[in-house]
Amino acid sequence: GQQVMQIPQYQHVQEGEDFTTYCNSSTTLSNIQWYKQRPGGHPVFLIQLVKSGEVKKQKRLTFQFGEAKKNSSLHITATQTTDVGTYFCAGLFNFGNEKLTFGTGTRLTIIP
Amino acid sequence: DVKVTQSSRYLVKRTGEKVFLECVQDMDHENMFWYRQDPGLGLRLIYFSYDVKMKEKGDIPEGYSVSREKKERFSLILESASTNQTSMYLCAGGDGDRGLGAEAFFGQGTRLTVV
Repeated sequence: GQQVMQIPQYQHVQEGEDFTTYCNSSTTLSNIQWYKQRPGGHPVFLIQLVKSGEVKKQKRLTFQFGEAKKNSSLHITATQTTDVGTYFCAGLFNFGNEKLTFGTGTRLTIIP
Repeated sequence: DVKVTQSSRYLVKRTGEKVFLECVQDMDHENMFWYRQDPGLGLRLIYFSYDVKMKEKGDIPEGYSVSREKKERFSLILESASTNQTSMYLCAGGDGDRGLGAEAFFGQGTRLTVV
Protein backbone atom coordinates (compact mmCIF):
# COMPACT_ATOMS: atom_id res chain seq x y z
CA GLY A 1 0.00 0.00 0.00
CA GLN A 2 0.90 3.64 -0.16
CA GLN A 3 3.16 4.64 2.68
CA VAL A 4 4.85 7.74 3.96
CA MET A 5 8.12 7.08 5.74
CA GLN A 6 9.34 9.59 8.30
CA ILE A 7 12.76 9.84 9.93
CA PRO A 8 14.14 10.02 12.49
CA GLN A 9 11.74 8.43 14.96
CA TYR A 10 13.32 10.32 17.86
CA GLN A 11 15.51 13.39 18.10
CA HIS A 12 17.09 14.88 21.19
CA VAL A 13 18.65 18.31 20.79
CA GLN A 14 20.13 20.95 23.03
CA GLU A 15 18.04 24.07 23.29
CA GLY A 16 19.19 26.45 20.58
CA GLU A 17 20.24 23.74 18.15
CA ASP A 18 18.46 23.13 14.87
CA PHE A 19 16.15 20.21 14.14
CA THR A 20 15.01 18.56 10.92
CA THR A 21 12.55 15.78 10.19
CA TYR A 22 12.11 14.15 6.78
CA CYS A 23 9.25 12.45 4.99
CA ASN A 24 9.53 10.24 1.94
CA SER A 25 7.01 8.55 -0.28
CA SER A 26 7.61 5.97 -3.00
CA THR A 27 4.89 7.55 -5.13
CA THR A 28 4.01 11.12 -6.01
CA LEU A 29 1.93 13.05 -3.53
CA SER A 30 -0.80 15.54 -4.37
CA ASN A 31 -0.09 17.52 -1.24
CA ILE A 32 1.54 17.13 2.12
CA GLN A 33 0.52 18.47 5.49
CA TRP A 34 2.44 18.84 8.73
CA TYR A 35 1.04 18.49 12.24
CA LYS A 36 2.42 18.94 15.74
CA GLN A 37 1.29 16.93 18.73
CA ARG A 38 2.31 18.17 22.15
CA PRO A 39 2.78 15.54 24.90
CA GLY A 40 -0.66 14.48 26.06
CA GLY A 41 -2.36 16.46 23.31
CA HIS A 42 -3.84 15.88 19.90
CA PRO A 43 -2.35 16.66 16.48
CA VAL A 44 -2.65 20.28 15.43
CA PHE A 45 -2.34 21.36 11.83
CA LEU A 46 0.73 23.45 11.00
CA ILE A 47 0.76 23.85 7.22
CA GLN A 48 -0.08 22.37 3.83
CA LEU A 49 2.24 22.27 0.80
CA VAL A 50 0.82 21.68 -2.65
CA LYS A 51 3.25 22.85 -5.32
CA SER A 52 6.40 21.12 -6.49
CA GLY A 53 9.46 22.71 -4.84
CA GLU A 54 7.31 24.81 -2.52
CA VAL A 55 8.94 26.37 0.53
CA LYS A 56 6.95 27.96 3.33
CA LYS A 57 8.11 29.58 6.55
CA GLN A 58 6.43 30.11 9.88
CA LYS A 59 8.79 32.06 12.13
CA ARG A 60 11.55 29.53 12.98
CA LEU A 61 9.91 26.69 11.03
CA THR A 62 10.72 26.05 7.37
CA PHE A 63 8.72 23.54 5.34
CA GLN A 64 9.81 22.18 1.97
CA PHE A 65 8.11 20.05 -0.65
CA GLY A 66 10.42 18.26 -3.05
CA GLU A 67 10.54 18.92 -6.77
CA ALA A 68 9.22 15.44 -7.51
CA LYS A 69 6.55 15.80 -4.80
CA LYS A 70 7.79 12.62 -3.15
CA ASN A 71 9.52 14.09 -0.13
CA SER A 72 9.19 16.87 2.35
CA SER A 73 11.05 18.28 5.31
CA LEU A 74 10.43 20.42 8.36
CA HIS A 75 13.36 22.38 9.74
CA ILE A 76 13.30 24.27 13.05
CA THR A 77 15.99 26.85 13.65
CA ALA A 78 17.26 27.49 17.18
CA THR A 79 14.90 25.16 19.00
CA GLN A 80 13.09 26.28 22.14
CA THR A 81 11.46 24.24 24.89
CA THR A 82 8.07 25.08 23.40
CA ASP A 83 9.01 23.06 20.31
CA VAL A 84 8.80 19.79 22.26
CA GLY A 85 6.37 17.28 20.77
CA THR A 86 5.86 14.85 17.93
CA TYR A 87 5.84 16.16 14.38
CA PHE A 88 3.85 14.27 11.76
CA CYS A 89 3.75 14.63 8.04
CA ALA A 90 0.62 13.48 6.24
CA GLY A 91 0.40 12.89 2.50
CA LEU A 92 -2.51 12.91 0.12
CA PHE A 93 -1.71 10.62 -2.80
CA ASN A 94 -4.29 11.86 -5.24
CA PHE A 95 -7.41 13.94 -5.10
CA GLY A 96 -9.57 11.07 -6.21
CA ASN A 97 -8.46 9.08 -3.18
CA GLU A 98 -8.83 11.21 -0.11
CA LYS A 99 -7.10 9.00 2.42
CA LEU A 100 -4.56 11.18 4.16
CA THR A 101 -1.66 8.91 5.06
CA PHE A 102 0.33 9.89 8.12
CA GLY A 103 4.00 9.27 8.67
CA THR A 104 5.14 7.58 11.86
CA GLY A 105 6.18 10.89 13.41
CA THR A 106 9.36 12.33 14.87
CA ARG A 107 9.41 12.87 18.60
CA LEU A 108 11.48 15.94 19.51
CA THR A 109 12.94 16.32 22.97
CA ILE A 110 14.75 19.49 24.01
CA ILE A 111 17.57 19.41 26.53
CA PRO A 112 17.58 22.76 28.37
CA ASP B 1 -13.58 28.38 17.79
CA VAL B 2 -13.77 25.12 15.88
CA LYS B 3 -14.33 22.06 17.99
CA VAL B 4 -14.24 18.32 17.63
CA THR B 5 -15.36 16.63 20.82
CA GLN B 6 -14.96 12.98 21.74
CA SER B 7 -17.29 11.61 24.36
CA SER B 8 -14.68 10.00 26.61
CA ARG B 9 -11.05 10.73 27.39
CA TYR B 10 -10.40 7.33 28.94
CA LEU B 11 -12.31 4.07 28.60
CA VAL B 12 -11.77 0.57 29.96
CA LYS B 13 -13.73 -2.29 28.43
CA ARG B 14 -13.73 -6.05 28.64
CA THR B 15 -12.83 -8.41 25.83
CA GLY B 16 -15.90 -9.22 23.75
CA GLU B 17 -17.85 -6.11 24.69
CA LYS B 18 -19.41 -3.91 22.04
CA VAL B 19 -17.85 -0.46 22.35
CA PHE B 20 -19.10 2.86 21.02
CA LEU B 21 -16.79 5.86 20.60
CA GLU B 22 -18.65 9.06 19.87
CA CYS B 23 -17.41 12.17 18.09
CA VAL B 24 -19.22 15.46 17.53
CA GLN B 25 -18.05 18.40 15.44
CA ASP B 26 -19.39 21.93 15.30
CA MET B 27 -17.69 22.88 12.04
CA ASP B 28 -20.65 22.04 9.79
CA HIS B 29 -18.24 20.19 7.51
CA GLU B 30 -19.12 17.07 5.64
CA ASN B 31 -15.93 15.09 6.23
CA MET B 32 -15.13 13.13 9.36
CA PHE B 33 -12.47 10.54 10.14
CA TRP B 34 -11.44 7.99 12.73
CA TYR B 35 -7.76 7.19 13.35
CA ARG B 36 -5.95 5.08 15.87
CA GLN B 37 -2.54 6.08 17.16
CA ASP B 38 0.00 3.55 18.38
CA PRO B 39 3.66 4.10 19.34
CA GLY B 40 5.96 3.79 16.36
CA LEU B 41 3.06 3.43 13.91
CA GLY B 42 1.80 7.00 13.68
CA LEU B 43 -1.85 7.60 12.89
CA ARG B 44 -3.68 4.96 10.89
CA LEU B 45 -7.01 5.63 9.24
CA ILE B 46 -9.83 3.29 10.25
CA TYR B 47 -12.87 4.75 8.49
CA PHE B 48 -14.00 8.04 7.03
CA SER B 49 -17.22 9.64 5.92
CA TYR B 50 -18.00 12.38 3.41
CA ASP B 51 -21.67 12.73 4.08
CA VAL B 52 -24.50 11.55 6.26
CA LYS B 53 -25.00 7.79 6.00
CA MET B 54 -21.90 7.51 3.83
CA LYS B 55 -18.73 5.67 4.90
CA GLU B 56 -15.54 4.39 3.36
CA LYS B 57 -12.92 2.02 4.69
CA GLY B 58 -9.54 3.33 5.62
CA ASP B 59 -6.35 1.32 5.96
CA ILE B 60 -7.31 -0.81 8.97
CA PRO B 61 -11.11 -1.26 9.09
CA GLU B 62 -11.13 -4.86 10.33
CA GLY B 63 -12.95 -5.23 13.63
CA TYR B 64 -14.55 -1.80 13.37
CA SER B 65 -17.67 -0.23 11.93
CA VAL B 66 -18.97 3.32 11.86
CA SER B 67 -22.24 5.21 11.88
CA ARG B 68 -23.05 8.67 10.58
CA GLU B 69 -26.75 9.35 11.06
CA LYS B 70 -26.33 13.11 11.50
CA LYS B 71 -23.84 15.46 9.91
CA GLU B 72 -22.24 16.50 13.18
CA ARG B 73 -21.85 13.05 14.71
CA PHE B 74 -19.56 10.18 13.69
CA SER B 75 -19.46 7.05 15.80
CA LEU B 76 -16.84 4.31 15.82
CA ILE B 77 -18.04 0.87 16.88
CA LEU B 78 -15.92 -2.02 18.03
CA GLU B 79 -18.21 -4.98 17.44
CA SER B 80 -16.39 -7.29 19.84
CA ALA B 81 -13.50 -5.60 21.58
CA SER B 82 -10.18 -7.40 21.67
CA THR B 83 -6.95 -6.61 23.52
CA ASN B 84 -5.19 -5.66 20.27
CA GLN B 85 -7.66 -2.79 19.94
CA THR B 86 -6.19 -1.13 23.02
CA SER B 87 -5.07 2.20 21.59
CA MET B 88 -5.57 5.95 21.38
CA TYR B 89 -8.48 6.75 19.06
CA LEU B 90 -8.62 10.13 17.38
CA CYS B 91 -11.57 11.63 15.55
CA ALA B 92 -11.00 14.39 12.99
CA GLY B 93 -13.09 16.72 10.89
CA GLY B 94 -11.81 17.97 7.58
CA ASP B 95 -12.40 20.82 5.21
CA GLY B 96 -11.92 20.88 1.47
CA ASP B 97 -13.91 19.53 -1.37
CA ARG B 98 -13.42 15.94 -0.38
CA GLY B 99 -11.32 14.33 2.26
CA LEU B 100 -8.53 16.17 3.97
CA GLY B 101 -7.46 18.51 1.22
CA ALA B 102 -7.20 21.22 3.83
CA GLU B 103 -6.72 21.50 7.55
CA ALA B 104 -7.90 18.65 9.73
CA PHE B 105 -9.21 19.33 13.22
CA PHE B 106 -8.68 16.60 15.76
CA GLY B 107 -10.56 15.79 18.92
CA GLN B 108 -8.71 15.30 22.19
CA GLY B 109 -8.58 11.53 21.76
CA THR B 110 -10.01 8.54 23.61
CA ARG B 111 -7.55 6.19 25.25
CA LEU B 112 -9.23 2.79 25.15
CA THR B 113 -7.96 -0.12 27.18
CA VAL B 114 -9.41 -3.57 26.53
CA VAL B 115 -8.82 -6.04 29.35
